[in-house]
Amino acid sequence: SQQGEEDPQALSIQEGENATMNCSYKTSINNLQWYRQNSGRGLVHLILIRSNEREKHSGRLRVTLDTSKKSSSLLITASRAADTASYFCAYFTGGGNKLTFGTGTQLKVEL
Amino acid sequence: ETGVTQSPTHLIKTRGQQVTLRCSSQSGHNTVSWYQQALGQGPQFIFQYYREEENGRGNFPPRFSGLQFPNYSSELNVNALELDDSALYLCASSLAGIAGVNEQFFGPGTRLTVL
Repeated sequence: SQQGEEDPQALSIQEGENATMNCSYKTSINNLQWYRQNSGRGLVHLILIRSNEREKHSGRLRVTLDTSKKSSSLLITASRAADTASYFCAYFTGGGNKLTFGTGTQLKVEL
Repeated sequence: ETGVTQSPTHLIKTRGQQVTLRCSSQSGHNTVSWYQQALGQGPQFIFQYYREEENGRGNFPPRFSGLQFPNYSSELNVNALELDDSALYLCASSLAGIAGVNEQFFGPGTRLTVL
């Protein structure tokens, strides 16, 4: 399977703490994306990092990409209860039209 | 600009029945992709439609079929439903250019339960 893997599977932290999620993948990629999903509903695109980038920031999000290790990390700083959700990494395979998702990390931010 | 919409929101069917799920793509988008997400798993690519033709397919049997209409909306049809077809079905639209597929925008999904 080309599916990516994420760890941890689940993460529980206190509001204000930082949350780090890791993604490993198996193929060459042009870019890697991170999505958030609330309560088994639709996916919301968070950030995209291209293969020639090593780090990217967007608000409280910081994404890194290491193509030599085929891995990426998502850091959410100063977490809030509203950040409670599942987070997935995703990348295009199959000629560029098939988005392959990781297994996901369930983040719970407690007050 | 309207986002991606899907109907129905929830659906309950019994084994052996057939189901049709619908998706309206975001304004200006010409490509629709369908994904199946089982509980606790990441979404799995079913297939993609571009200009009314199938443009890539994942590891799903032929009883999963689709259509794309001239207005770029799409349908996912599943025949001979099985219990394992119970899942959240997600539709995503995008604008495919010469360079390849761009960012995909997801709808809220249809929750299918097969009894």
